[in-house]
Amino acid sequence: RKEVEQDPGPFNVPEGATVAFNCTYSNSASQSFFWYRQDCRKEPKLLMSVYSSGNEDGRFTAQLNRASQYISLLIRDSKLSDSATYLCVVKNYNQGGKLIFGQGTELSVKP
Amino acid sequence: DAGVIQSPRHEVTEMGQEVTLRCKPISGHNSLFWYRQTMMRGLELLIYFNNNVPIDDSGMPEDRFSAKMPNASFSTLKIQPSEPRDSAVYFCASSSGPTDINEQYFGPGTRLTVT
Repeated sequence: RKEVEQDPGPFNVPEGATVAFNCTYSNSASQSFFWYRQDCRKEPKLLMSVYSSGNEDGRFTAQLNRASQYISLLIRDSKLSDSATYLCVVKNYNQGGKLIFGQGTELSVKP
Repeated sequence: DAGVIQSPRHEVTEMGQEVTLRCKPISGHNSLFWYRQTMMRGLELLIYFNNNVPIDDSGMPEDRFSAKMPNASFSTLKIQPSEPRDSAVYFCASSSGPTDINEQYFGPGTRLTVT
């Protein structure tokens, strides 16, 4: 079983739709959580950190459920430019603080 | 700021040849990471350095892979001899420290094809 699991998609949605991505992690010692975005044939870039109380950045909302070891990302009013792969990432301090990446969920927003 | 610089951007080589990938981290960053990305396995950490010292190389697949960081502004990842299964995109990333507040900034990657 992979340490970080995501639905690979692809998610094909129309502009303006709301879309949610889910992610589960297996290491209960995981302490920090992030969503990265990767455009086709480009490098990953940090989209947002995920805090225990949940956090929002414009159209993006991230939530964490430590009891269920579950992370989510909600995108409201999706834009064509949101088309990318979204990577769920955890950081485990009992593994030297290295980042563990999920396989990514592909999103395609259509006009 | 130029960001993380990697070279070459593309490399095509024949099986058995030595391949050297290069990375220049962002100035002032003291943590450097090498990743490999494939369709099958996703993004995997190979090795990371803190203050030029290798901290965790448990992701290095086998002895054919080696990495060095001779100074704070340069690192290499070497594959010798290369094999077709090494074909992947290799990313270098740097951060200002290993703690969770330190975002990792990725370079554009080196797309390696071994025939």
